[in-house]
Amino acid sequence: AQSVTQLGSHVSVSEGALVLLRCNYSSSVPPYLFWYVQYPNQGLQLLLKYTSAATLVKGINGFEAEFKKSETSFHLTKPSAHMRDAAEYFCAVTHTGANSKLTFGKGITLSVRP
Amino acid sequence: DTAVSQTPKYLVTQMGNDKSIKCEQNLGHDTMYWYKQDSKKFLKIMFSYNNKELIINETVPNRFSPKSPDKAHLNLHINSLELGDSAVYFCASSQIAVTRETQYFGPGTRLLVL
Repeated sequence: AQSVTQLGSHVSVSEGALVLLRCNYSSSVPPYLFWYVQYPNQGLQLLLKYTSAATLVKGINGFEAEFKKSETSFHLTKPSAHMRDAAEYFCAVTHTGANSKLTFGKGITLSVRP
Repeated sequence: DTAVSQTPKYLVTQMGNDKSIKCEQNLGHDTMYWYKQDSKKFLKIMFSYNNKELIINETVPNRFSPKSPDKAHLNLHINSLELGDSAVYFCASSQIAVTRETQYFGPGTRLLVL
């Protein structure tokens, strides 16, 4: 079984501040990990993914995430928040085994204050 | 050019009615998915098709029936709609049926059952 935990439901930062969105996973086999972003009234869009290559993954819009096996974490960061980053962020996990599927966390809302 | 499109965007209907949602992708992908996002924004997979064949069928009431006439289309028919079916339904596609592949999401269909 696999699962993702995103602690908290809402993070608020000031424009220009560091963004840190936490994701911890549980998987009995080596995982593949994803961060998706959902802007208001839109579908999900991939920010970045870890597929067992480099543990530090760079994505779109200045976001990056680091896979830490010892901590079972895949936290998302961005050095300087912009107003346009306000959205819902979902961490997701899957694996290559039979019957694998993408399992999402409950999401976290990022607000950016001017 | 919209990569993954869904119709309708909004659907308001009465309990007990039957309704369909259509999805089309122009990415040339082999695999398509239906997800349900509830009022708390939790996303869960419902079905997945690969080259018109059903490969994932989660625990979903049999009032929900997907149909894939060709690999570019995946429709969702819902019989005898219930209040609890109110949600946002997302269609997605990926190049192949390997879950580490990026999934591309449609804009969603917001279903409200009264």
